[in-house]
Amino acid sequence: GQQLNQSPQSMFIQEGEDVSMNCTSSSIFNTWLWYKQDPGEGPVLLIALYKAGELTSNGRLTAQFGITRKDSFLNISASIPSDVGIYFCAGQPYGGSQGNLIFGKGTKLSVKP
Amino acid sequence: ETGVTQTPRHLVMGMTNKKSLKCEQHLGHNAMYWYKQSAKKPLELMFVYNFKEQTENNSVPSRFSPECPNSSHLFLHLHTLQPEDSALYLCASSQEWSGQGAIRSGNTIYFGEGSWLTVV
Repeated sequence: GQQLNQSPQSMFIQEGEDVSMNCTSSSIFNTWLWYKQDPGEGPVLLIALYKAGELTSNGRLTAQFGITRKDSFLNISASIPSDVGIYFCAGQPYGGSQGNLIFGKGTKLSVKP
Repeated sequence: ETGVTQTPRHLVMGMTNKKSLKCEQHLGHNAMYWYKQSAKKPLELMFVYNFKEQTENNSVPSRFSPECPNSSHLFLHLHTLQPEDSALYLCASSQEWSGQGAIRSGNTIYFGEGSWLTVV
């Protein structure tokens, strides 16, 4: 089946650092979504991307829908402690139904000890 | 607060029990979803309801039985579950589900906080 490769799987951040993560696929997607999930909670939508090449910001977060429609990245600038959590990318495959999003396995952000 | 409320937040049940998970959305959406999130696996779609009608069943075992009495409420009835069914079950909603075709701006999927299920 279709898969999303999300990387990195985990990373440690120091307050103030910029963070970057991405998702790639071998197939084309219509929509890319980025969610954040805190422990014991459901995913919360951060950014939604609907067109190839689209670049969208939400505060310190910026995400882009790749031109090839096979990838997307999420950047977090000047990270703060509350950025800790798991970030998921999700995509709606071309020709797929709206509810059947494909999810990445997540990028876990932790604070450097 | 995402506007999608799930109860209970935590549930422990035996393999012979019958229990139900409840979801309510306060967003005026017409489509509701059940997703399963297991450890170290991506989120998996289970069911989709659009205007109270089931439109997708992602090959889910019959021990999971969904019910959608109206556009605002969604249930997942559970019986004779297995320990491997232990997971976080997430309810979600969106404005509508129109089958194939790109998700339009404003029709994004919003998740509830989830119900942690442990089968013993």
